[in-house]
Amino acid sequence: NAGVTQTPKFQVLKTGQSMTLQCAQDMNHEYMSWYRQDPGMGLRLIHYSVGAGITDQGEVPNGYNVSRSTTEDFPLRLLSAAPSQTSVYFCASSLPGTRGETQYFGPGTRLLVL
Amino acid sequence: GNSVTQMEGPVTLSEEAFLTINCTYTATGYPSLFWYVQYPGEGLQLLLKATKADDKGSNKGFEATYRKETTSFHLEKGSVQVSDSAVYFCALASGNTPLVFGKGTRLSVIA
Repeated sequence: NAGVTQTPKFQVLKTGQSMTLQCAQDMNHEYMSWYRQDPGMGLRLIHYSVGAGITDQGEVPNGYNVSRSTTEDFPLRLLSAAPSQTSVYFCASSLPGTRGETQYFGPGTRLLVL
Repeated sequence: GNSVTQMEGPVTLSEEAFLTINCTYTATGYPSLFWYVQYPGEGLQLLLKATKADDKGSNKGFEATYRKETTSFHLEKGSVQVSDSAVYFCALASGNTPLVFGKGTRLSVIA
């Protein structure tokens, strides 16, 4: 199993550009989520999904869109990048029900918005 | 709402020193509690967890006990190694709500 994979590993964008961060998992996990990690802020939840076709907002959803058309994939879209979105982005997945279940994290995507 | 408070870092220790990283929580219901570790340049990985009061999670010499009376889940290790240098995150999950993380504590262990 590859686990949770994320692409790209590193990206530089100009303000106003759009892009999609890819996340895929091969563990048949129903629950997937996106976090951003900023210095001194820990991890903050952006969006999450409890299964294909179902998504919900987290703590910091503004400026990001997600969709979940398959169990395996959960892409994160930046519609119009802003410098405030410079961060490291982590995707995670788990079995249904976050209570007690281990979250498996991808290696992260480092995004720089100029 | 649910929240986690953990001690601010960075924490710098000499090899073989005793480690404690404090974590307290606020939650509705009966949460599960976790410690995740992030090694340099990597994603987070589960270190240990406890799903009910008085449970002790343990892994790689690390331990944490779920204390409902003090709403705490402090991480301890008796003798740290240079390879333990990482960022440690306390987290909780309650019901089916998403995982809530603390801000992380950076540990540096020097030889």
